[in-house]
Amino acid sequence: DGGITQSPKYLFRKEGQNVTLSCEQNLNHDAMYWYRQDPGQGLRLIYYSQIVNDFQKGDIAEGYSVSREKKESFPLTVTSAQKNPTAFYLCASSTRPGVGAEAFFGQGTRLTVV
Amino acid sequence: SQKIEQNSEALNIQEGKTATLTCNYTNYSPAYLQWYRQDPGRGPVFLLLIRENEKEKRKERLKVTFDTTLKQSLFHITASQPADSATYLCAPGGTGTASKLTFGTGTRLQVTL
Repeated sequence: DGGITQSPKYLFRKEGQNVTLSCEQNLNHDAMYWYRQDPGQGLRLIYYSQIVNDFQKGDIAEGYSVSREKKESFPLTVTSAQKNPTAFYLCASSTRPGVGAEAFFGQGTRLTVV
Repeated sequence: SQKIEQNSEALNIQEGKTATLTCNYTNYSPAYLQWYRQDPGRGPVFLLLIRENEKEKRKERLKVTFDTTLKQSLFHITASQPADSATYLCAPGGTGTASKLTFGTGTRLQVTL
């Protein structure tokens, strides 16, 4: 089935460690996005990519890094520089960006710093 | 900077009534506006899109309006049901920097019997 898959569903990280969240889509979508959601809050854009080998910072990129080496994959690394990484992370994809194509979301990764 | 505002307070309504949610935006002119539904612990799901040249869009019990002069979209759910209880997010968008898909903070709707 076509869709967007995030893994793992739950992730625990020790302070000072980098962790990488996986996002894979088989929808042949050009655009992919990463969001962070804190309890009771909306979605805040971390990074987005509209084409392979290109990505742009969103509103809260500090402490995060991404890569887009393949169309299907857009992994997010939460670095030790991110001071408060505990949150729910959502990945999304869409076809042609900027023309109103609907975004499809993964089921999310809940990251907890222990 | 671009700003998207939705009522952060939860909206509580009785089953059968019409729920109306508001999305206001400032400092840009989106070519379209999308509405999504999010259930707790899940990713948002797309509901409707309305373009700047459309005043109103309907889908079953859902209706969306888009007023580019007021910089506002209204999202209506008629004959509300408890199953409609969720958080609803708006996402104005367009080309250039507006293509990056940013969301409002969302409004939580609670429909009671």
